[in-house]
Amino acid sequence: GENVEQHPSTLSVQEGDSAVIKCTYSDSASNYFPWYKQELGKGPQLIIDIRSNVGEKKDQRIAVTLNKTAKHFSLHITETQPEDSAVYFCAASGYNFNKFYFGSGTKLNVKP
Amino acid sequence: SAVISQKPSRDICQRGTSLTIQCQVDSQVTMMFWYRQQPGQSLTLIATANQGSEATYESGFVIDKFPISRPNLTFSTLTVSNMSPEDSSIYLCSVGSGGNTDTQYFGPGTRLTVL
Repeated sequence: GENVEQHPSTLSVQEGDSAVIKCTYSDSASNYFPWYKQELGKGPQLIIDIRSNVGEKKDQRIAVTLNKTAKHFSLHITETQPEDSAVYFCAASGYNFNKFYFGSGTKLNVKP
Repeated sequence: SAVISQKPSRDICQRGTSLTIQCQVDSQVTMMFWYRQQPGQSLTLIATANQGSEATYESGFVIDKFPISRPNLTFSTLTVSNMSPEDSSIYLCSVGSGGNTDTQYFGPGTRLTVL
């Protein structure tokens, strides 16, 4: 089955700096890659996603890049703000859209 | 995106008892999923629940321990049976987005503590 690895496990940045979280996947059949943000005491919230026919997608301060050859994808947050502090999860799914394989999570701390 | 609610939001239970968690969606959805998130950990899929059919369980999860109902396209329940302290977790339901069901939206979660 699919295996998704996520790094780093924790990330601390100064407000205004950029943050990058990286994930790798093992199954070349995976073709959908969502990112979720989970704030303390809440459920995961979908923040951006990308499909395998696209190399990059951007939504305001958030962008995701995908390298199918290397089987890795990354979340980029620019101009970080304290409210970006949360745990971020990447996931991958493939021919069986029903099943998501999640990374281990990255705890992002944005210092004011 | 769908609006998803879960009840209860949290509970403290005694070992050996059972708790039923409800998941309600504001629109009809084909796929509903139940996850467990142990403290500080990632999400682990328990089972997939389709309306009108038996739930499909992932390896390590069995129907006797986690019975699931899916009576219609907007509602599902997960029961955690004969609980032990190891069942203390956040339990999350999610729904397929419809159409290609290629994304999932999560409910707020149920925080369960077993003493």
